[in-house]
Formats: sequence, structure tokens, C-alpha cells
Amino acid sequence: KNQVEQSPQSLIILEGKNCTLQCNYTVSPFSNLRWYKQDTGRGPVSLTIMTFSENTKSNGRYTATLDADTKQSSLHITASQLSDSASYICVVTVSGGYNKLIFGAGTRLAVHP
Amino acid sequence: NAGVTQTPKFQVLKTGQSMTLQCAQDMNHNSMYWYRQDPGMGLRLIYYSASEGTTDKGEVPNGYNVSRLNKREFSLRLESAAPSQTSVYFCASIPRGGTMNTEAFFGQGTRLTVV
Repeated sequence: KNQVEQSPQSLIILEGKNCTLQCNYTVSPFSNLRWYKQDTGRGPVSLTIMTFSENTKSNGRYTATLDADTKQSSLHITASQLSDSASYICVVTVSGGYNKLIFGAGTRLAVHP
Repeated sequence: NAGVTQTPKFQVLKTGQSMTLQCAQDMNHNSMYWYRQDPGMGLRLIYYSASEGTTDKGEVPNGYNVSRLNKREFSLRLESAAPSQTSVYFCASIPRGGTMNTEAFFGQGTRLTVV
């Protein structure tokens, strides 16, 4: 069964600190892995998208890693800001067909001053 | 530069009522999708349209119907709303289906409560 699991479910950090969010997946055949940020009451917004051959991709203070062998990904946030408070969703695309996206349940991050 | 627009943003229905959620994209994308998001769960696909004129069921299609009115618009209809359909609904569009690395764009969501 295609699944995406994220940990932790929720996280509280202080402003300026770094954090790392985890994503494990059992999706086959694999096409790509995406990280989205979802602010409360808004739709998901793309942060990164990585294919099988990529193992690191950055977008400002966000750095995603992918280990296709162990089927794990992480999202590292550097020097957190209050505006980073949101849910972060890991999404894996199934290869072939219609762009079938398998969503994780998300990690809810709260950055406190 | 609106991207994906959903209406309404909020709706309260009584059990048994019907309604249509509207979605429009101005990016000339071929593929459009309807998802629902429930607490503690990932987004689940209700229906999708790989291209104008085609629609297909996703993971959780029961109780819903869709119409791909034209390339821009993809609507989701609840014929007889049930409390189990209380959820946040998201519309998404992708430039073309079956291609690996194209970005998915999401609307702002419709928060639906069925009482």
C-alpha cells in the first residue's frame, strides 16, 4: 500500500532555532517527492520538488534531502521565523498515469518568540 | 495572476441539501483535481480530470459528482450532503497529466460543515 508517514506530528521551537522534519514513504513506482507549506486556513504551497536522482534541494532557509534507497526525506528549516509556523506536508508522486499524489498527514510547526 | 480560485470559502449545509463547489484556474493547465482534507489525515483525492472532457474517480468518490465544464473550470457537487462530508475541500491544477515533475497549484480551500 502506498503510504507517506511524517514525524513528528507537531513541534514547538523558539524563533531563531533550527529544526528538521522527517518523512518516510512506501510508494512504488516512485516519481518525485515534494514538500509543501500550508498556513492555517490556506492551501498548500510548494517548497521543493525532488526527483529520484536528486538528494538535496534548497529554497531559501528550507533544505530538503532525499534518500531514495531508504525511502526517507527530511526538511531542515534554518534560523526559524515566526512566519514559519505552519503545517509542512510531504507528498510523493506515483510514477505513470495521472500524477497520483500520496500525501502525508503533515507536521504542525509552531515557532514561538 | 489569480492561480486557482475556489468558491465559496465557507459553507454550512443541512443534511440532505445539495451544493456545488466551484474551481477555476487561469494557468491553462490540463489536469485538475479535487481533494478533501480531514484532521490528522493527508489530503485524499475525490475526483480528477486529466484533460478537458474527461473525469475519473479518485480514492473517495462516493457521494460526489464532478463536471469539467471547460479547460478552466472543474466543479464538485454534493447531491445530498451528509455529516461525514464535513471537511476542507481543495482544488488543484497541474500543467499536464502523467508527467513527473510539474508543479501542483492549490486553491485556498472551501470549509464545508454539514449539520
